[in-house]
Amino acid sequence: DTEVTQTPKHLVMGMTNKKSLKCEQHMGHRAMYWYKQKAKKPPELMFVYSYEKLSINESVPSRFSPECPNSSLLNLHLHALQPEDSALYLCASRGVGLAGKNEQFFGPGTRLTVL
Amino acid sequence: GQQVMQIPQYQHVQEGEDFTTYCNSSTTLSNIQWYKQRPGGHPVFLIQLVKSGEVKKQKRLTFQFGEAKKNSSLHITATQTTDVGTYFCAGSGYSTLTFGKGTMLLVSP
Repeated sequence: DTEVTQTPKHLVMGMTNKKSLKCEQHMGHRAMYWYKQKAKKPPELMFVYSYEKLSINESVPSRFSPECPNSSLLNLHLHALQPEDSALYLCASRGVGLAGKNEQFFGPGTRLTVL
Repeated sequence: GQQVMQIPQYQHVQEGEDFTTYCNSSTTLSNIQWYKQRPGGHPVFLIQLVKSGEVKKQKRLTFQFGEAKKNSSLHITATQTTDVGTYFCAGSGYSTLTFGKGTMLLVSP
């Protein structure tokens, strides 16, 4: 299984809502990532988890809260978002310690609209 | 921090024409990766280049890594409509990628 899955595919939320994005992979990858992508822009790194521990937070506002419950799952909890947070949220995973193989596998993304 | 510039931003070709996108880094790269993102899709890994001067081919796609490991290119020979999408180069750090802005390729039949 070389797939990263993400749910939901689409999400519309108000600025006062609380919602969560979910990501799952069963490739045994121990590095997992959250990216934000705006239209016609490259993916922008938000968070990196390595061995279920948060290793990089790219100065992301606290209204985004990541969580890695186990080595296969990655969540992104959303609260009090702003309309400018509307974007495609991509999850990715990467094998760690695999010589020469450090490509990232991206999920299909969650398209988020904040009203 | 590391910056990766990519040109052109956009290219529209007729089917059968060739296409090239170029990446330049402000610093020496340990390796460079290329991804393709179809319209409405997600980035998909194409290849990783590691060695100075490396050239790799995948059917009609040719990838090059410069001698100084600061630049790279992707060349598509005889484009097809299935080549439509945005091509990103990405400089690879220890655990993160620094993406170029991408080149959007449109192919008219």
